[in-house]
Order: sequence, then C-alpha cells, then structure tokens
Amino acid sequence: DAKTTQPPSMDCAEGRAANLPCNHSTISGNEYVYWYRQIHSQGPQYIIHGLKNNETNEMASLIITEDRKSSTLILPHATLRDTAVYYCIVRVATTTSSALEPDAPTGGGNKLTFGTGTQLKVEL
Amino acid sequence: DTGVSQDPRHKITKRGQNVTFRCDPISEHNRLYWYRQTLGQGPEFLTYFQNEAQLEKSRLLSDRFSAERPKGSFSTLEIQRTEQGDSAMYLCASSSTSGEDEQYFGPGTRLTVT
Repeated sequence: DAKTTQPPSMDCAEGRAANLPCNHSTISGNEYVYWYRQIHSQGPQYIIHGLKNNETNEMASLIITEDRKSSTLILPHATLRDTAVYYCIVRVATTTSSALEPDAPTGGGNKLTFGTGTQLKVEL
Repeated sequence: DTGVSQDPRHKITKRGQNVTFRCDPISEHNRLYWYRQTLGQGPEFLTYFQNEAQLEKSRLLSDRFSAERPKGSFSTLEIQRTEQGDSAMYLCASSSTSGEDEQYFGPGTRLTVT
C-alpha cells in the first residue's frame, strides 16, 4: 500500500471548517483513499473513502486532487466532539475492480495500515 | 445498536497467564480483522478471517497468539503465557464483501499485564 503523510497536529475553532490534508504521492491506480478517526479510548471510526471523485456523506467531504497525489478531509462545521486522531489510509478496495485499473486483481480482504495520523483539537 | 462488540472491555492479568478475548462482528459481515494498538501508535494488523478461514496473519502474531472463527460468526483471540509487552488495546473490525470493504471497529479490549 502507498505511504501517506499527514501533519501531526492541527487546531480548529468550533463551528469552523476543519481541513485535514494528506499526501499520498505514490498512490496506485487501484488504490482508494480511506479516512478513519479515533476518539480517545475508542475504536477507530470509518468516515469516508474515495477513488478519484470528490465524495460527501453526513460526516465529511473528501476532496482528491486530479493527480490523486493528495487529498483533504473536510469537516464543514467542527464541534468539540470532532476532537480525535484522524488517519488517512491508502489501500486497494478489494471487493470491486477499480474504475482506473479495471484489470487489477480484486478479491480477498486487506488490512488497514495506520500511520500516526493527525491529532485534531477543536476548541471554543 | 448492531455494531461490532468486544468482550471484555478491560482485562488485567498477571504475567504468564492465558487470556481470551471475544469479538462479535456486524451480523451480515463475513470478514473479520484483529488489530493491536499500543499507546501513541496507530492500530497494527494482526490477522484476518473471511468466514471461518484465517487468510492472513501478521508477523506480530507470535506462537503465543491464536485466533479462531469457528462458525464464521464471532471470533476469539487467545494469548498464552502473557508478557508485559502484550499490554495493549486489542481491536476487532468487520467488513462485508458486498461493499468496498469499509471496516467497522469495535470498542476494543484493553489488556494490562502486570
């Protein structure tokens, strides 16, 4: 899996948008970008993932650059409860073929390789 | 809530004792993962099941560790002859082959070996 680089920490004012960057310059065509977060003493929580198009769900938006070498997770209105470690992970999505590399091998589960993530602190 | 559950949530044991943890995945998920997390680090992969078959094991999983998923539903992780270095949070996750393999984690079991 490609390596990711994230800033170790960021601060954000409550109510403001939190923009968390991630570099993944060695990403392959069949690798997706996943984001998880981990609130203190809890298990990681899935947030969002994407391949090349921007994605949005009820939790966040994911913006992936056109060359796919970096991405940004956006929490549109951060609250104190968003204080957590955010992990950006690049990984093959193993159940479906990738639209970018349709002939790439699929099938089989695949572990998540966590780095140290970004500690986001949301403050009043 | 039908999320991933783990039992116990906390376990304190003396060095040399055996411990067993249980994970109940989301009911329709056929993939199950075990991870370990030490303080200040991200989770590290230990092993993975698809249904009852154990398909991948990390080098972190020494001979003292064994995991099972006998009926393709819940899983157990056993550590024999525990050592102080085994103290960590043990996390379980599950996913479905019908999605894009998003993994959903349980709350973890915190093990302290004294």
